[in-house]
Amino acid sequence: QQQVKQSPQSLIVQKGGISIINCAYENTAFDYFPWYQQFPGKGPALLIAIRPDVSEKKEGRFTISFNKSAKQFSLHIMDSQPGDSATYFCAVPSKGSTLGRLYFGRGTQLTVWP
Amino acid sequence: NAGVTQTPKFQVLKTGQSMTLQCAQDMNHEYMSWYRQDPGMGLRLIHYSVGAGITDQGEVPNGYNVSRSTTEDFPLRLLSAAPSQTSVYFCASSSTGRNNEQFFGPGTRLTVL
Repeated sequence: QQQVKQSPQSLIVQKGGISIINCAYENTAFDYFPWYQQFPGKGPALLIAIRPDVSEKKEGRFTISFNKSAKQFSLHIMDSQPGDSATYFCAVPSKGSTLGRLYFGRGTQLTVWP
Repeated sequence: NAGVTQTPKFQVLKTGQSMTLQCAQDMNHEYMSWYRQDPGMGLRLIHYSVGAGITDQGEVPNGYNVSRSTTEDFPLRLLSAAPSQTSVYFCASSSTGRNNEQFFGPGTRLTVL
């Protein structure tokens, strides 16, 4: 079983600001660590994922920072836009016999004000 | 490709009724799973399957049954609905070895009265 702690639960950011969402996990995992984005009334969709042997991955305005020794990773949204308003979930892969499972954080509701 | 499809989109049940939530994918993915989403609780895994004929329990399996007779379909059965099963249900699929990239369906919003 993998415990995943995501914070904050909600976040309000001004347009153009930086949004930061954090995720911590307990058990060592070896697969990619993804972030998912969910808009109201829709299913979650993969936003960005990072390999466990890399400390940072950037895709456009979205960056994952990964600290393997601390078992923490975070999502940074630069120049936040109203269209980024959504719920974000971190996920941690399992290992061993349940390889393939993802354990999700409880989500962060991001609101970006224009 | 339609991706992952779910039916129905909305459903209201009375306590004790049974029903099946349908899920289908056309991406030939081996791995399929069912999650429920409740406010403040994130996505919790109910059941999952790593291929046709193979299923296993997730975190919250009680009150639900699944089967996987084909690669494409993975229905979720509620045996005797309870108000605690009021939730939004998502089906997801992924290819083996790329389970960090799960493709989610649009969800089914279920209310049990």
